[in-house]
Formats: sequence, structure tokens, C-alpha cells
Amino acid sequence: TQLLEQSPQFLSIQEGENLTVYCNSSSVFSSLQWYRQEPGEGPVLLVTVVTGGEVKKLKRLTFQFGDARKDSSLHITAAQPGDTGLYLCAGATAYNTDKLIFGTGTRLQVFP
Amino acid sequence: DAEITQSPRHKITETGRQVTLACHQTWNHNNMFWYRQDLGHGLRLIHYSYGVQDTNKGEVSDGYSVSRSNTEDLPLTLESAASSQTSVYFCASSPPGTGGFNEQFFGPGTRLTVL
Repeated sequence: TQLLEQSPQFLSIQEGENLTVYCNSSSVFSSLQWYRQEPGEGPVLLVTVVTGGEVKKLKRLTFQFGDARKDSSLHITAAQPGDTGLYLCAGATAYNTDKLIFGTGTRLQVFP
Repeated sequence: DAEITQSPRHKITETGRQVTLACHQTWNHNNMFWYRQDLGHGLRLIHYSYGVQDTNKGEVSDGYSVSRSNTEDLPLTLESAASSQTSVYFCASSPPGTGGFNEQFFGPGTRLTVL
């Protein structure tokens, strides 16, 4: 069974702080996605990375795919209360790109 | 606008009862998925379908079944509800794979409590 472990599981910080969320696996993925989920709603896609070493930026969010395509990180600069939510990474394998394996999730709370 | 809906949003049932959760999408996507979400486990795949009459088991399929008679709907049935199936259930859909770029679109979820 392929697993995607995220760390930390919970993160509580003050507005303006920086943070990094990690997504790790022993398996290789052909692509990796990051989703954000707000209370009472389904997850919404933030970004997809497909190339080892790839870095993508979405305003204050920076996503990186590991060189070996086994891990990824999400870095948030100057966190805002609006960043509060559950962050999920999800990987697709080369033999089944339509099916995603979701990580365990990181719940972020940003206080004003 | 295209969307994906789930019903009911909340359901309380008793152990041993059969329960069906509905999922309807108007994206005309071939792929549809059912997940359950529990604290510390992220989203775990229950069943999925790549088109009409196609169904596949996910990692936590025991006690659940699905059927796909048209493109728009993928109902999830709990044959005999158990307390361990208390969870939040999400349905998602996506277009056919495009090299890993296929985004999954999620419904709002159904919170199921089995007493």
C-alpha cells in the first residue's frame, strides 16, 4: 500500500509567521497535487507539480516537488487567517494517473 | 454552471440498516470517486468508476458498493451499516487522465452517523 505521510499533522501559528508543510512517501509519483479544504466543504485544488525539482508559486504559497518525485513541500510566507484550513497532498502513479492517493492532511490554524 | 452535489448532507442511521448516499455531477466527467474522511487518515478511496458500467474497489471497500448506470450519478450503498462507518463521505469527479494534471472536483460531503 502506497502511503503519503504529511507533517506536521496540526499547526497553529500567528498571522505573519512563515510555515512549511511536508508530504513524504517511499513511492515515486508521476505527479503531485495540493488541495485545501475549508470546514464543511470539499477539497479544492491549489496546484499540480509533475517534474522532479519543480517549484511553483501561488501568491504567498510556494510548492516544491522533490528531485526523486517521492516528496513535496508547501511553504507559506507571512500566513494570513484566510490560509486557515486542511491542506492535503495527493499523488498519482505512472500506471494509474486518474486515481489519486491522498496524504494524511495538515490542519493549519492562523490566528490574527 | 457545472457542479457536483451530494445528498443527504447529514444522515443518522442505526447499525444494520442499508444506507445509500447520492452523488450527482453535471461536468459530464467519466471518472467518479467516493472517499471517506476520518481524522488522521486524510481521504481514503472507497470505490471509483471510469465510466458507465465500470466500477472498481478502492483501499477501504469492504461493506460498501457502487453502481454506475449513467455518466452523472454514482450512488454509494452501505449494505449493513456499522459504527465503524461513521465518517464524512466525499464524492469527486474528474475528466479522463491527461498525464496527471486531471483535477478532481469534490462535492460538499455527507456526514454519516451510525448509532
